[in-house]
Amino acid sequence: DTEVTQTPKHLVMGMTNKKSLKCEQHMGHRAMYWYKQKAKKPPELMFVYSYEKLSINESVPSRFSPECPNSSLLNLHLHALQPEDSALYLCASNPGGLSNEQFFGPGTRLTVL
Amino acid sequence: AQSVSQHNHHVILSEAASLELGCNYSYGGTVNLFWYVQYPGQHLQLLLKYFSGDPLVKGIKGFEAEFIKSKFSFNLRKPSVQWSDTAEYFCAVNRVSGGYNKLIFGAGTRLAVHP
Repeated sequence: DTEVTQTPKHLVMGMTNKKSLKCEQHMGHRAMYWYKQKAKKPPELMFVYSYEKLSINESVPSRFSPECPNSSLLNLHLHALQPEDSALYLCASNPGGLSNEQFFGPGTRLTVL
Repeated sequence: AQSVSQHNHHVILSEAASLELGCNYSYGGTVNLFWYVQYPGQHLQLLLKYFSGDPLVKGIKGFEAEFIKSKFSFNLRKPSVQWSDTAEYFCAVNRVSGGYNKLIFGAGTRLAVHP
């Protein structure tokens, strides 16, 4: 299995809802990432997990809460989001070590009403 | 601060035309460089990468890129584009921060190829 999968593909939620995005990889990669991509913009890094520990938080608001239950799974819990949080949320993984290539999932397109 | 600059934000070409997309970075250390492509409605795919060795790297779908260290550049080229190359192209530089890999993306270049 050489891919990163993300569910759901699309998500519509209200500002008072609680939802979660899921990312999974079975390539044995030890680093996993969450990115946010607005339309016609490049991906922006949100979080980095390395060996299941949060390594980098790029000053992301607390309404986004990442979780790494195990080395294959990465979740992003959403609560009290704003309409401006609507975006494509991308997950990526990286083998670690000398390899710096990141493998991206297809993303979850989130709409906050 | 490290940055990645893509000079062409929007490029329009006819099929069979040659393509060159510019990418410059501002980082003096060892760099790993990437070009990603995002087709309409699809996810990011790696076109090619440079880690070390031959500065001319070949990627998928006939793309290549040349790393010129003295110019801090990593331009993407394709001799003859096809309509199916219509997509957004992102240059990216890997940066090691606190022992962790971070990708810094350029703003992207939107390529439209007309039949």
